[in-house]
Amino acid sequence: DIQMTQSPSSLSASIGDRVTITCRASQSIGISLSWYHHKPGKAPKFLIYGASTLHSGVPARFSGSGSGTDFTLTISSLQPEDFASYYCQQSYTMPYTFGQGTKLEIK
Amino acid sequence: QVQLQESGPGLVKPSETLSLTCTVSGGSISNWYWNWFRQPAGKGLEYIGRLSTSGNTNYNPSLKSRVTMSVDMSKNQISLRMTSVTAADTAVYYCATGDQSFDMWGQGTMVTVSS
Repeated sequence: DIQMTQSPSSLSASIGDRVTITCRASQSIGISLSWYHHKPGKAPKFLIYGASTLHSGVPARFSGSGSGTDFTLTISSLQPEDFASYYCQQSYTMPYTFGQGTKLEIK
Repeated sequence: QVQLQESGPGLVKPSETLSLTCTVSGGSISNWYWNWFRQPAGKGLEYIGRLSTSGNTNYNPSLKSRVTMSVDMSKNQISLRMTSVTAADTAVYYCATGDQSFDMWGQGTMVTVSS
């Protein structure tokens, strides 16, 4: 299976901050990378696919980049609703696998 | 708007079979891929597998011997069956739509395996 490693595992930031989360794949996955936002007790929300394409309705403060093995998710100006956990997921080959998550907390 | 809702018994005994249902409202389940995931407390998401409404399935090899997915078009439901459960199967279970990425998810249902 392809291993996905996210860093950091947790992050404290303030409203308005710019934050970046990194996701690394154990082998090249091209741009077969998606990002999700998840709050406890809620349904996960789909943010980005193809490493950099925003899903419909996702605010433009979210952006994704990368290819091969190294990817980033950037939130340009944190809003209160952004404090949650974020997961990357590879769809290059089955079984699809996720990173362990990055918990974004309010400082 | 399509909504997904997982349901099932919150508690299952070790060695027994877990059965969960994902009910789809606001749209038809035809011509979609339907996926199951789980997340043990404090851990990341694990992909269990998927079912197309044409009947094709792809299961995670780590669970393949114990998992079966099926669809009931008349009820707009997708089901997950997992046999011989152990404490390691304790998790929140989610269903979601999508082929390679997953754009709509249910809120999840907690399953505890304990005697």
